[in-house]
Amino acid sequence: AQTVTQSQPEMSVQEAETVTLSCTYDTSESDYYLFWYKQPPSRQMILVIRQEAYKQQNATENRFSVNFQKAAKSFSLKISDSQLGDAAMYFCAYSLWGGSEKLVFGKGTKLTVNP
Amino acid sequence: NAGVTQTPKFRVLKTGQSMTLLCAQDMNHEYMYWYRQDPGMGLRLIHYSVGEGTTAKGEVPDGYNVSRLKKQNFLLGLESAAPSQTSVYFCASSSPPSGNTIYFGEGSWLTVV
Repeated sequence: AQTVTQSQPEMSVQEAETVTLSCTYDTSESDYYLFWYKQPPSRQMILVIRQEAYKQQNATENRFSVNFQKAAKSFSLKISDSQLGDAAMYFCAYSLWGGSEKLVFGKGTKLTVNP
Repeated sequence: NAGVTQTPKFRVLKTGQSMTLLCAQDMNHEYMYWYRQDPGMGLRLIHYSVGEGTTAKGEVPDGYNVSRLKKQNFLLGLESAAPSQTSVYFCASSSPPSGNTIYFGEGSWLTVV
């Protein structure tokens, strides 16, 4: 079974600074997707970024980028120029390619942004 | 844009009572899912459906039943609620091919006393 591990229960960053959230996963599959979801206090699940495992190029979305290391099974999220609105729980998730989009989530990292 | 709508948003149940959570999506998605989120945990898959009339078990299916009689609706039932089922429940939907965006509802807070 696939597992996703987020080893940092909480992180904090100063406004305008950069922070990196860590995620490792375990799978025997070669084709899959990895995601970072943001969950603000409203509990809404918001997709931040997606990475296809077959792509070597790291995904980027504005201030958000990932460092995908397939051999190491590592998938970290970098947030640049942190903003107060970035404060939330961040979940790393995995789904198998060709499957029915079933997501396996990590336990999350709570990000605090200090003014 | 309604997207994924969950009903009810909040509910308090007594142990042993039954209830049904309704999920409705207006995006003509093939796939639908029910997840639960407990404190300090990520979301865990309860049941899912890959099409009208089909359902399958996820990671934590015990104590729940589901039905997908219509493509746009996915019902989650608790036949005899237990305090361990106190949680926030999320419905989600998506369509193939894999890797497409998964849309989540806003969550349903369920407390079993």
